Amino acid sequence: AQSVSQHNHHVILSEAASLELGCNYSYGGTVNLFWYVQYPGQHLQLLLKYFSGDPLVKGIKGFEAEFIKSKFSFNLRKPSVQWSDTAEYFCALNSLGGSYIPTFGRGTSLIVHP
Amino acid sequence: DADVTQTPRNRITKTGKRIMLECSQTKGHDRMYWYRQDPGLGLRLIYYSFDVKDINKGEISDGYSVSRQAQAKFSLSLESAIPNQTALYFCATSDSHTEAFFGQGTRLTVV
Repeated sequence: AQSVSQHNHHVILSEAASLELGCNYSYGGTVNLFWYVQYPGQHLQLLLKYFSGDPLVKGIKGFEAEFIKSKFSFNLRKPSVQWSDTAEYFCALNSLGGSYIPTFGRGTSLIVHP
Repeated sequence: DADVTQTPRNRITKTGKRIMLECSQTKGHDRMYWYRQDPGLGLRLIYYSFDVKDINKGEISDGYSVSRQAQAKFSLSLESAIPNQTALYFCATSDSHTEAFFGQGTRLTVV
């Protein structure tokens, strides 16, 4: 079975601070990995995705994530956060073993103070 | 227009009532999903459908049923609503290898 673990449940930062949100997954085969963002009162939107190739993936709004296969990790980073980044962030994966059904982590709530 | 449309957006219902949440998508994808979001628990899969004739239970299907009326339509029913079904419900669609596209969500309160 596939699963996703997000280590940080709540993160509070000041504007301009750097951000790194942890994500680890459990699955022995090939995976597709995603980060979604949910702004307050809104639905989930895709931030970035990794299918294959360069393990450093760049997404929208200055976010990036690095796939480290040996660590089963896909951490999300942003060098300098803004107040508008306040949101909930979800790591997700799908895989052949899971019939490509999206599986989500529990999410990380990020609050950025101006 | 939104790729995935859910109705209603908000609903308050009484314990024991039957309620249906509807979802339609214009992405042309075969796969559709219903998730439930609770604070601190993330998104949990209720039901999923790979095509009109293929419907499967997810991890938390008890108390729910679904109907796939067409490729573009996937509805979720609570046969007899109970308070612990109070949650935010999301419909989503995807192809097998792509990201999921989500509706705006339905906030359901069972009193």
